[in-house]
Amino acid sequence: QLVLTQSPSASASLGASVKLTCTLSGGHSTYAIAWLQQQPEKGPRYLMILNSDGTYRQGDGIPHRFSGSSSGAERYLTISSLQSEDEADYYCQTWGTGIRVFGGGTKLTVL
Amino acid sequence: EVQLVESGGGLVQPGESLRLSCAASGFTFSAYWMTWVRQAPGKGLEWVATIKEEGTEKYFVDSMKGRFTISRDNAKNSLYLQMNSLRAEDTAVYYCARETNGGSLDNWGPGTLVTVSS
Repeated sequence: QLVLTQSPSASASLGASVKLTCTLSGGHSTYAIAWLQQQPEKGPRYLMILNSDGTYRQGDGIPHRFSGSSSGAERYLTISSLQSEDEADYYCQTWGTGIRVFGGGTKLTVL
Repeated sequence: EVQLVESGGGLVQPGESLRLSCAASGFTFSAYWMTWVRQAPGKGLEWVATIKEEGTEKYFVDSMKGRFTISRDNAKNSLYLQMNSLRAEDTAVYYCARETNGGSLDNWGPGTLVTVSS
């Protein structure tokens, strides 16, 4: 079964960096994922697609402060030089034939 | 500029039906798979349904099969979600999203709120 697991919450200080994790279920470690950001009271915003080999492609207009990396079944989103507007929910998303899956989301607090 | 705008949400009673629409512009609508996603109040994102470019393939989350139908009209650049036998647990903001790269959702509408309550 294709499942994505995310920690419910994370926090980091203004100007610092934070690394969020999304873990693919067993047998799916080669899957690509997408990272999405949802600021309070807004719809989701696509950040990037992240491949199993760690290569990633950002969406239009996404700052280079947002980067991705991979290790085995883990997919990471690193946000550097944290700004107050980065306080949001972050979701990973993946897909297979006939199925689309979201992680539970990580609520990022910028201190 | 890619734009997706949902409409058709509102307050309905349990057991009633509702049809959501999504108007697309700024891209060749007929060349993309499209997806509906919902988000219950205070909860995470939940995939609802996906439709292929020509509408020949459709996929649904198991819990909504038989009650929800996805369709599209490429001549009108529009995506639809027909929801029947609505339940309180269907209360959510419903988003339409464009798919790319085989399944990543790269553009989203602002959403439309569906409230199911007596």
